[in-house]
Amino acid sequence: DAGITQSPRHKVTETGTPVTLRCHQTENHRYMYWYRQDPGHGLRLIHYSYGVKDTDKGEVSDGYSVSRSKTEDFLLTLESATSSQTSVYFCAISVGTRRDEQFFGPGTRLTVL
Amino acid sequence: AQKITQTQPGMFVQEKEAVTLDCTYDTSDPSYGLFWYKQPSSGEMIFLIYQGSYDQQNATEGRYSLNFQKARKSANLVISASQLGDSAMYFCAMGREKLTFGTGTRLTIIP
Repeated sequence: DAGITQSPRHKVTETGTPVTLRCHQTENHRYMYWYRQDPGHGLRLIHYSYGVKDTDKGEVSDGYSVSRSKTEDFLLTLESATSSQTSVYFCAISVGTRRDEQFFGPGTRLTVL
Repeated sequence: AQKITQTQPGMFVQEKEAVTLDCTYDTSDPSYGLFWYKQPSSGEMIFLIYQGSYDQQNATEGRYSLNFQKARKSANLVISASQLGDSAMYFCAMGREKLTFGTGTRLTIIP
C-alpha cells in the first residue's frame, strides 16, 4: 500500500462545468502523476509534478491544469469539462531510490454528460 | 518518442500452466525502465515487476519474471503456474518518471 487516495472516486458532471480531482499521498514522495485510462489506449500521462509548485505537461494535457501547493496533494482541474474527458483518472507516485517504480491510486471514474 | 506494443489483445490459458505476455518497445533513450502492471476487474493498477535497462539480470518477483532482451527491445512477462486469480488485464509500460503504456492484454485463466 503506497498510501495514495483519490477523491472523489466517482463523479458525474455536465459539459461546461469545472471539475477538480484530488490525489493525496501520505509518504512525502516528490514525484506525482495524473494519467487517464480509456478503452484501446491504455494509460496516458496528463501532467506530472516533481515538487511543490513544479509541474509539467504530459502526452494529453490539453483541457487540464494541475496544482501542487503541498507535497502531499496534487490536484487535477478540468476548467470546462467536455464529454471527451469522460474517463478513469489515476494518480501515481514514484517511489524507490531510482524514482522509477510507480504506484497508483484507486482511480476516479468521471462521467461528463 | 517512446512506444510500447502489446500484440496479444486476449489470451486463454489453462490453470497451472505458464504464460508469456509479449511486450516490445521503442525508444531512443539510453536509460529507461520497463514495468508490468496488473489490472483486475475491480479496476486498480497493481505494480508487478520492474526492469532497468542497465540491469544485467532479468527481474523476478515470486511467480513473475521479466524476460528482457535488450537487443530485440522486448520485455515479456512470464507468469509461472498460473492461478485463477491471475485473470486480469496486464499492461506493459516503459520510461523514466513519465511512463508510456501499451494497450494491454486480457488474460483469462481457465480452470
